Amino acid sequence: NAGVTQTPKFQVLKTGQSMTLQCAQDMNHNSMYWYRQDPGMGLRLIYYSASEGTTDKGEVPNGYNVSRLNKREFSLRLESAAPSQTSVYFCASNRAGGANVLTFGAGSRLTVL
Amino acid sequence: GQQVMQIPQYQHVQEGEDFTTYCNSSTTLSNIQWYKQRPGGHPVFLIQLVKSGEVKKQKRLTFQFGEAKKNSSLHITATQTTDVGTYFCGTGGGADGLTFGKGTHLIIQP
Repeated sequence: NAGVTQTPKFQVLKTGQSMTLQCAQDMNHNSMYWYRQDPGMGLRLIYYSASEGTTDKGEVPNGYNVSRLNKREFSLRLESAAPSQTSVYFCASNRAGGANVLTFGAGSRLTVL
Repeated sequence: GQQVMQIPQYQHVQEGEDFTTYCNSSTTLSNIQWYKQRPGGHPVFLIQLVKSGEVKKQKRLTFQFGEAKKNSSLHITATQTTDVGTYFCGTGGGADGLTFGKGTHLIIQP
């Protein structure tokens, strides 16, 4: 049982390039999330999807787009990367309706030059 | 949404000493969850507290939820090198996710 799988684990981009971070969960969870983690800032919510077919902005959505492709997959897209988007990105999922415990993926470390 | 402040940001202890991190809010919280993140790793769920005054234990870890449900603490007795990492508190956890504190980095000196 893999849990939450994120790809890629590491990526280096140049300013202005685009890329998509992929996330998939095999726990049949309804809700999925993208967080970013920066030193001294903790974990901040970028976007979330409460259920298949819905997406909503979190605390820091600017510069990002998301797609909930199906119940398993939730991708995060940077259309024009900026150095301020250098961060570690975590995808998480939540069964919802119960204890609402988040299960996190291993993270994707993105550097924008 | 609800916000939580976590202190201290960093804590250095000698191995075998105790450690405590605190999570505070200006508003009443519906719940508190605690996560641990090892260096280079991802956050992993430890526990959830929902009741006023609740105390839960996991081996050397003791978690408390304040009577007013505005604060929480995580206490580790006799730290070991395996306790190294960052401890986060978070609240919320409905479909719109958790709001996390900034975390406490625990550094243990042998």
